Amino acid sequence: DIQMTQSPSSLSASVGDRVIITCRASQGISGYLNWYQQKPGKAPKLLIYAASNLQSGVPSRFSGSGSGTDFTLTISSLQPEDFATYYCQQSYNIPRNFGQGTKVEIK
Amino acid sequence: EVQLVQSGAEVKKPGESLKISCKGSGYSFPSYWIGWVRQRPGKGLEWMGMISPDDSDTRYSPSFQGQVTISAGRSISTAYLQWSSLKASDTAVYYCARSSGFEQFDYWGQGTLVTVSS
Repeated sequence: DIQMTQSPSSLSASVGDRVIITCRASQGISGYLNWYQQKPGKAPKLLIYAASNLQSGVPSRFSGSGSGTDFTLTISSLQPEDFATYYCQQSYNIPRNFGQGTKVEIK
Repeated sequence: EVQLVQSGAEVKKPGESLKISCKGSGYSFPSYWIGWVRQRPGKGLEWMGMISPDDSDTRYSPSFQGQVTISAGRSISTAYLQWSSLKASDTAVYYCARSSGFEQFDYWGQGTLVTVSS
């Protein structure tokens, strides 16, 4: 199995801050990396697919980069509605494991 | 509009069986794999497995192989997740999701809460 490790596990930030979340795969996954946002009591929502492609309807302050084993999700200017938990997921092979999540909290 | 609508919350006793459902609409259901994801209370997302509604080709995570069965009814645009003998550790919210071009989950069901308690 490919293990996905996110860092940090949690962070505190203020509205307007630039936030960067990293995700590392235990082996190369090319560009098969997706990012999701989950708010309490809700289903996850796709933000970025194939490492850097913005899902339709997602604000442009979200961006993704990386290839191989190291990936990042960047929120350029944190908004109040962005406080949530973020998960990466590899879709390179089976099982398509998720990272453990990064909780973004209000400072 | 693409929608995945899941069956309602369930409360079961250990050892009981259960089948939950996920009905797709607004798109060609046979053309997209459906995946299932577990989320235990306060925990992260776990990928369980996926099925092609077109031919019922199914893939499981080794962690869930033999513990659950994934199936689909192509003609009624519905995917299923079932247990033959529930355990307390199966208590969780279960999500179905549509798998798209790069195998990303682009649409999700609302989740089904399964509570297993004696």
